[in-house]
Amino acid sequence: DQQVKQNSPSLSVQEGRISILNCDYTNSMFDYFLWYKKYPAEGPTFLISISSIKDKNEDGRFTVFLNKSAKHLSLHIVPSQPGDSAVYFCAAVTNAGKSTFGDGTTLTVKP
Amino acid sequence: DAGVIQSPRHEVTEMGQEVTLRCKLISGHNSLFWYRQTMMRGLELLIYFNNNVPIDDSGMPEDRFSAKMPNASFSTLKIQPSEPRDSAVYFCASSLWGGREPQHFGDGTRLSIL
Repeated sequence: DQQVKQNSPSLSVQEGRISILNCDYTNSMFDYFLWYKKYPAEGPTFLISISSIKDKNEDGRFTVFLNKSAKHLSLHIVPSQPGDSAVYFCAAVTNAGKSTFGDGTTLTVKP
Repeated sequence: DAGVIQSPRHEVTEMGQEVTLRCKLISGHNSLFWYRQTMMRGLELLIYFNNNVPIDDSGMPEDRFSAKMPNASFSTLKIQPSEPRDSAVYFCASSLWGGREPQHFGDGTRLSIL
């Protein structure tokens, strides 16, 4: 039973356009969500987070949206840059602090 | 600032051998997480500690796996005896406190069991 799903294994966008990465979850105990970016041969690095009491959080080119009723969150990157090409993981955290990661979406931004 | 440091970066060993993976936390961080990444199962949380105390080890696959924090800045993940299905990339991460704080990951140990 996969509690956090990223249904698109890959996404390709043109430089300058918007990238939208999606994540769905099933466990109602999740109340905090984070996005991480991962380059090959490196560990994931934190991008942005959102608490379940909010529906939007913005940090520069990155915005995370949370729809609690749909149990869905998305990461918007605008404008996309070639350096954004990486694997993006969403992670959901319970109130006990336990993290569950999705399988990741590979984003390719073409110049 | 030094990040999370994992060693070794690569390990190749024969099945049945004991494997020890090491992790040095970022100074001042109080939580430590061990993950395993495979193609089949993605990035799985194996165990996490707060203040050197294991909080949740429900992800540890079998008794062959054990993790310790002998002090506040260092952790080991041991597999004894190792099996080919243990082959994966193992990451450790640390955070100021718990899973809600951003976790800082090491670059992983790529483990191959022959």
